[in-house]
Amino acid sequence: SAVISQKPSRDICQRGTSLTIQCQVDSQVTMMFWYRQQPGQSLTLIATANQGSEATYESGFVIDKFPISRPNLTFSTLTVSNMSPEDSSIYLCRTWSRNYGYTFGSGTRLTVV
Amino acid sequence: LAKTTQPISMDSYEGQEVNITCSHNNIATNDYITWYQQFPSQGPRFIIQGYKTKVTNEVASLFIPADRKSSTLSLPRVSLSDTAVYYCLVGYNNNDMRFGAGTRLTVKP
Repeated sequence: SAVISQKPSRDICQRGTSLTIQCQVDSQVTMMFWYRQQPGQSLTLIATANQGSEATYESGFVIDKFPISRPNLTFSTLTVSNMSPEDSSIYLCRTWSRNYGYTFGSGTRLTVV
Repeated sequence: LAKTTQPISMDSYEGQEVNITCSHNNIATNDYITWYQQFPSQGPRFIIQGYKTKVTNEVASLFIPADRKSSTLSLPRVSLSDTAVYYCLVGYNNNDMRFGAGTRLTVKP
């Protein structure tokens, strides 16, 4: 599988601030996705990160709140904007490529106080 | 998109075979069935994927009946380290995969 470096692994943030999460992959991947996993819950797909264009968001998620960048085939960022305690979750990136199949990042545990 | 239904939790003992069944009544013709394993504080890990009949790898087997409206993940001789949440996903072309609630497997000594 591809190797993903997801940073930061955890953070505690003040409400009203923003946090940018990065996923760096050691090889080019076709698809990159961002998920949220709230405490004790399953994973929810936030959006598909499209290289060189705007991300495709799932119902209930908007670009102003979760801006996403994907400048190339090995890197993507997710920003959680204007955070509130309800945004406290684990955020994960996932990649897929024909060569390496499916891989998840190790996740970012976000706590908003 | 096909919705999946799994048992919320299962208990087993070390050395036993564990079978987790997932229902996906409205699976589409092009959909594949994929299972993931997730340990606490880690991202999900791919276990196995199949389209029909039976698939086996070094970790598990996946049984899919002819109508493909369900699938069963089989874990042979589980150990304590297999305690995790197991997710069944149904989707096409690796894009539209949404996670259900998952099955929390607890392996006891």
